Amino acid sequence: GDSVTQMEGPVTLSEEAFLTINCTYTATGYPSLFWYVQYPGEGLQLLLKATKADDKGSNKGFEATYRKETTSFHLEKGSVQVSDSAVYFCALSHGSSNTGKLIFGQGTTLQVKP
Amino acid sequence: GAGVSQSPSNKVTEKGKDVELRCDPISGHTALYWYRQSLGQGLEFLIYFQGNSAPDKSGLPSDRFSAERTGGSVSTLTIQRTQQEDSAVYLCASSYQPGLTDTQYFGPGTRLTVL
Repeated sequence: GDSVTQMEGPVTLSEEAFLTINCTYTATGYPSLFWYVQYPGEGLQLLLKATKADDKGSNKGFEATYRKETTSFHLEKGSVQVSDSAVYFCALSHGSSNTGKLIFGQGTTLQVKP
Repeated sequence: GAGVSQSPSNKVTEKGKDVELRCDPISGHTALYWYRQSLGQGLEFLIYFQGNSAPDKSGLPSDRFSAERTGGSVSTLTIQRTQQEDSAVYLCASSYQPGLTDTQYFGPGTRLTVL
């Protein structure tokens, strides 16, 4: 079945460091890909998405490119801030059912130190 | 505008009791989803509602779990005879319409603890 694999955390970086969180997927059909973020004490919220191959999603300085050839959707940011500390979830929208139900990776905790 | 709301925010119950969790989706959103977030299983899909169509119950872990959506709006997730492994955060999400590309908006969740 469809699945998402993320790099394990926690990831600890200093402020202004470059961030990469790896995400790869296995899916039938043509899924959409998402990054959701969960800040401490807050609910899950969409960070960015890409709906077809080679699309780049971007928001708040974060970017991810839908790479069908490598089945990847890695999250990157050029210069992280302390306020980026959160749990990041990569997800795909189930391609075969068209219901939009999400399959999530296990989440990666990011801690940014000043 | 108002986001997805869930109640209660926390629920502590004893093993064997039944619990009901409520979700109010964003007004006008036709699709509603329930997910569960637990330490052992991560974030997993439970059930999906779309309009008057039959719900997709493929993610429900056992027949102790059921859900309904009344009038195409509010949804209730019911867990009967709760077990300790049911302890988790239950998340509700809604989207304007279903499909691969539409954004799902999540509620704050209900933290369920089964003693």
